[in-house]
Amino acid sequence: RKEVEQDPGPFNVPEGATVAFNCTYSNSASQSFFWYRQDCRKEPKLLMSVYSSGNEDGRFTAQLNRASQYISLLIRDSKLSDSATYLCVVSIDNAGNMLTFGGGTRLMVKP
Amino acid sequence: DTAVSQTPKYLVTQMGNDKSIKCEQNLGHDTMYWYKQDSKKFLKIMFSYNNKELIINETVPNRFSPKSPDKAHLNLHINSLELGDSAVYFCASRSYNEQFFGPGTRLTVL
Repeated sequence: RKEVEQDPGPFNVPEGATVAFNCTYSNSASQSFFWYRQDCRKEPKLLMSVYSSGNEDGRFTAQLNRASQYISLLIRDSKLSDSATYLCVVSIDNAGNMLTFGGGTRLMVKP
Repeated sequence: DTAVSQTPKYLVTQMGNDKSIKCEQNLGHDTMYWYKQDSKKFLKIMFSYNNKELIINETVPNRFSPKSPDKAHLNLHINSLELGDSAVYFCASRSYNEQFFGPGTRLTVL
């Protein structure tokens, strides 16, 4: 079983759609949680940290369910520029030092 | 303005050769990393250094040897390259809970 599991997609959605990605993690000792974004043939970049109470950053909302070991990302009003691979990432420490990456979910937003 | 830089960007070499990848960060961070992203796109940590000291070494063959001459640099030397070493190698540095990645080095072993 992979430590961090994601549906690889691709998710093909029209501009303006709302899309949600889910992720599960196996290590119950995980302490910090993130979504990174990786464009094709580029490096990953932090999209947002995920907090226990849930958090929002503009059109992006992240949720964490520690009991179910489940993380989600909701993107509202999708833009063409949101097309990328979204990586679910967990760390066993609070500092995000030891990152474990999921395989990513590919999103393609169409005009 | 480059934050984390790596050289070379592309590296094509024959099996059995020895090669090095260099990484530099100008962000003043204390902690740096090497990651490997294989053909299936899984990104896995290989090493982490904090202030030139090795703190994470994840079951990587000893053909891979990181070296940190100072806290702004973390280089990766690979001996006796194998076909399975073909991948994209990313360097990163960390500030609080965010890691900043370099642009990657695409290594192809023929």
